[in-house]
Amino acid sequence: GIQVEQSPPDLILQEGANSTLRCNFSDSVNNLQWFHQNPWGQLINLFYIPSGTKQNGRLSATTVATERYSLLYISSSQTTDSGVYFCAVEHPGGSEKLVFGKGTKLTVNP
Amino acid sequence: GAVVSQHPSRVICKSGTSVKIECRSLDFQATTMFWYRQFPKQSLMLMATSNEGSKATYEQGVEKDKFLINHASLTLSTLTVTSAHPEDSSFYICSASSGTYEQYFGPGTRLTVT
Repeated sequence: GIQVEQSPPDLILQEGANSTLRCNFSDSVNNLQWFHQNPWGQLINLFYIPSGTKQNGRLSATTVATERYSLLYISSSQTTDSGVYFCAVEHPGGSEKLVFGKGTKLTVNP
Repeated sequence: GAVVSQHPSRVICKSGTSVKIECRSLDFQATTMFWYRQFPKQSLMLMATSNEGSKATYEQGVEKDKFLINHASLTLSTLTVTSAHPEDSSFYICSASSGTYEQYFGPGTRLTVT
């Protein structure tokens, strides 16, 4: 099946710093989503981005489908950005099943 | 919009009993719902896919007789863990899709079997 690799596995930042999280996938995809899992376990949708670039406030994402990777940018990080960031992709075929990467654990210190 | 709820958020049960977890899409009709399991400090693992009015499709290695899934309506899916054992303790998360590819996730249910 499709493989999803996220890097780095862990990231520690000082408040105000910028960061880039990467997601590589092994095959073409219909769907790619970025999520933030907060300390209580809730997954929050950040971006639905099978291709192109999107921005939402301090966060932006770019997916280069032809090269099979996606990047999540966090600017001016805040302590509330802490948590685990997951990339998930759907393999073509119409099943809508998402395959998750192992996540990047982000810790933002004050 | 696109809110998914789960109930209960936490449950503790004794070994051998059954537990039912509800997943509801509050403001949209979910043609498909998904159930995931997450172990501590690990990623989400898909357990099964359910479509309203039809039998759930289970992923390889998931016991369908232990994890009963019912998708009774376009806004409700239930997961019943039957004859629960301590190894079934985990964080269970549902998601829902309206058919537009994007999935929305519930807040999760933490199950502890004693």
